Amino acid sequence: DAKTTQPPSMDCAEGRAANLPCNHSTISGNEYVYWYRQIHSQGPQYIIHGLKNNETNEMASLIITEDRKSSTLILPHATLRDTAVYYCIVRAKAAGNKLTFGGGTRVLVKP
Amino acid sequence: DAGVIQSPRHEVTEMGQEVTLRCKPISGHNSLFWYRQTMMRGLELLIYFNNNVPIDDSGMPEDRFSAKMPNASFSTLKIQPSEPRDSAVYFCASRSDVDNEQFFGPGTRLTVL
Repeated sequence: DAKTTQPPSMDCAEGRAANLPCNHSTISGNEYVYWYRQIHSQGPQYIIHGLKNNETNEMASLIITEDRKSSTLILPHATLRDTAVYYCIVRAKAAGNKLTFGGGTRVLVKP
Repeated sequence: DAGVIQSPRHEVTEMGQEVTLRCKPISGHNSLFWYRQTMMRGLELLIYFNNNVPIDDSGMPEDRFSAKMPNASFSTLKIQPSEPRDSAVYFCASRSDVDNEQFFGPGTRLTVL
């Protein structure tokens, strides 16, 4: 699986959009971009995934650059409950079910 | 559905004792994963099963660790003998083959004194 690079931490104001970057410059054509988050003392939670098109669900939007070497997770209106560690993971479906978690980005939403 | 169920939620034991962690996956899910999380090493995959068969156990630290999945609704992770460096939060997750996301349980916080 391709390696990802994320900033270790970032702050965000409550009610504003949070834009979380992820670099995956060695991504292969068959690898998807997955985002999970982990709220303190809880298990990781799936957020969204995509291959090359932008994706949106009730939690977030995922913007993948045209060359697929980077992506941005957007939380449109951050709330205090969005404070968590956010993990960007690149994985090929053919690689089985393995998820390899890196260090993630620790996001602190401030009032 | 109650989600992935893990027990116990907290376990404190002494070095050398046997520890058994339990997991009940979401009904209908045919893949099950055991992860370990520590401050130093982050979240690591230990082993995963598909249709009750171990597929990849390359993350299992050493022979003191073993995992079983006797049926589709139950799995155990056993540490024998336990050591202080095994102290961590152990997560179980499950997934269905037609889905893209893994659902994680609440974890078991293990402390080995």
